[in-house]
Amino acid sequence: GDSVTQMEGPVTLSEEAFLTINCTYTATGYPSLFWYVQYPGEGLQLLLKATKADDKGSNKGFEATYRKETTSFHLEKGSVQVSDSAVYFCALSRRDSSYKLIFGSGTRLLVRP
Amino acid sequence: DGGITQSPKYLFRKEGQNVTLSCEQNLNHDAMYWYRQDPGQGLRLIYYSQIVNDFQKGDIAEGYSVSREKKESFPLTVTSAQKNPTAFYLCASRTDTEAFFGQGTRLTVV
Repeated sequence: GDSVTQMEGPVTLSEEAFLTINCTYTATGYPSLFWYVQYPGEGLQLLLKATKADDKGSNKGFEATYRKETTSFHLEKGSVQVSDSAVYFCALSRRDSSYKLIFGSGTRLLVRP
Repeated sequence: DGGITQSPKYLFRKEGQNVTLSCEQNLNHDAMYWYRQDPGQGLRLIYYSQIVNDFQKGDIAEGYSVSREKKESFPLTVTSAQKNPTAFYLCASRTDTEAFFGQGTRLTVV
């Protein structure tokens, strides 16, 4: 079945450091790929998405490129801030599976001043 | 403002009791979903509904029940058959391209 694998956290960085959170997926067909962010005690917010190969999703300085050849969707940010501290989830969905979201286990990011 | 409202934010249940978590949306979305989140884990799908009066089991439906009598509402009942119900529960609705989540309900068994 479909699955998403994320790097385990926590990831601890100093402010202004470069961020990469790895995400790889297994799915038949052509899934859409997502990054969601969760702040403490809250629900999930969509951070960015990509719906086809080579698409780049971007938002708030975060970027991720849909790489079909490596089945990856790694999240990057050039300069993190303390306010970026949260849990980040990679996810996929497919039209022929009723658009159900399949999530990775999440990666906690802690940014220190 | 359009969005998804979950209530209550915190819920305590005694062992052997059924409890119902509310989820309401005013986004006019057909599809709605319930997920369970445990510490250090991703979200697991409990139930989903693609249209009024229809719903399907997700990956961990045992011990849970739902109804979808109105487009706006998708309540989740955690029954006494659910052996380990303490978790964070998230409701979502979605279009073809994007899912929107509520703020969650934290359920604790006391």
